[in-house]
Amino acid sequence: DAGVTQTPRHEVAEKGQTIILKCEPVSGHNDLFWYRQTKIQGLELLSYFRSKSLMEDGGAFKDRFKAEMLNSSFSTLKIQPTEPKDSAVYLCASSPADFYEQYFGPGTRLTVL
Amino acid sequence: AQSVTQPDARVTVSEGASLQLRCKYSYFGTPYLFWYVQYPRQGLQLLLKYYPGDPVVQGVNGFEAEFSKSNSSFHLRKASVHWSDWAVYFCAVKGVGYKLTFGTGTSLLVDP
Repeated sequence: DAGVTQTPRHEVAEKGQTIILKCEPVSGHNDLFWYRQTKIQGLELLSYFRSKSLMEDGGAFKDRFKAEMLNSSFSTLKIQPTEPKDSAVYLCASSPADFYEQYFGPGTRLTVL
Repeated sequence: AQSVTQPDARVTVSEGASLQLRCKYSYFGTPYLFWYVQYPRQGLQLLLKYYPGDPVVQGVNGFEAEFSKSNSSFHLRKASVHWSDWAVYFCAVKGVGYKLTFGTGTSLLVDP
């Protein structure tokens, strides 16, 4: 089985731009998670989908971050507008129904200038 | 609320030596616990998982972990470290619903 895939692997944006990150979960997995990872804050949950329904949209991240899951095999994370403080690694993970372990993609490293 | 503490930000061991990485959790009830490894420029990879049952669980690449309810711990062990084990290790506990709460990670450095 293919693992979680994320594209692009690297993204460089100017402040104020809109960027879209993409994620394909493991086939058949029920849950999908978006995280932001930084050295200072560690792993922060941005969004959580269960069977394509948005269960959590990350509280403090709501205003400029929007995750969508239009079908069970594809999700996007839009950041609009980007700010330099958004520079981080964005990780997508999925998990099978009725299990708690998550399987992570390789991440997208975002740099906002 | 559930939480995970990894008290050691960095651990250095010699290649071939044994390893223990510490993890303390806080959880109301019986926890589900996980260890992940992150190699440079990669995502997190699942090393092992604890679902209620045998307190010692085996993982990939010779790693094992032991659950202790009395100590609220889930320490990771390896008998003989290899240079390729150089990475960051994260402990996690099941949170609300199907979410995980992660620790801050321990960087493992291996002396040749």
